[in-house]
Amino acid sequence: GAVVSQHPSRVICKSGTSVKIECRSLDFQATTMFWYRQFPKQSLMLMATSNEGSKATYEQGVEKDKFLINHASLTLSTLTVTSAHPEDSSFYICSARRDEETQYFGPGTRLLVL
Amino acid sequence: DAKTTQPTSMDCAEGRAANLPCNHSTISGNEYVYWYRQIHSQGPQYIIHGLKNNETNEMASLIITEDRKSSTLILPHATLRDTAVYYCIVLDSWGKLQFGAGTQVVVTP
Repeated sequence: GAVVSQHPSRVICKSGTSVKIECRSLDFQATTMFWYRQFPKQSLMLMATSNEGSKATYEQGVEKDKFLINHASLTLSTLTVTSAHPEDSSFYICSARRDEETQYFGPGTRLLVL
Repeated sequence: DAKTTQPTSMDCAEGRAANLPCNHSTISGNEYVYWYRQIHSQGPQYIIHGLKNNETNEMASLIITEDRKSSTLILPHATLRDTAVYYCIVLDSWGKLQFGAGTQVVVTP
């Protein structure tokens, strides 16, 4: 299967700071990338979808000014959590897909906001 | 959008086959069924997908009923490493994977 990486794997930050998470497709070109969030003991919730070179589409209830998504190339998407607060602490997972093919997931980034 | 229904949990003995059911009675003719699993604290792992024919790969087999209203994922010889939450998903109308609660599978020695 295709390989998707995320960096960092875990991050701790102070409240009010911004955190950037990178998602890379290592062995294929991803026309579409997705960002999910998962709280403890819950399922994954889709946050947004991004297509290379265009603006991300956010799911209902997700603040686009708080979760900035950039998909500047076919192998890289970034999620920036701006002015993070403790309630933003979560497991953030990206996935990537080439055209209409199967979606592959990264290993996730655990964010803890103090 | 087609919804899926899965049992909340199931146990399986190591070395035995694990049969995971999924109901998707509102699935339409051109919608695929996807299976992923998530081992604790990791990203979801793709297992298999199918449209109407049965599928098999190195990880599992997927049996889809003729009316396509349900399917079964079969792990032929479960190991302790197969303990995970298994998700049966039909893409939504925008082609996105929306995760439900899945089935927590525990493989016991």
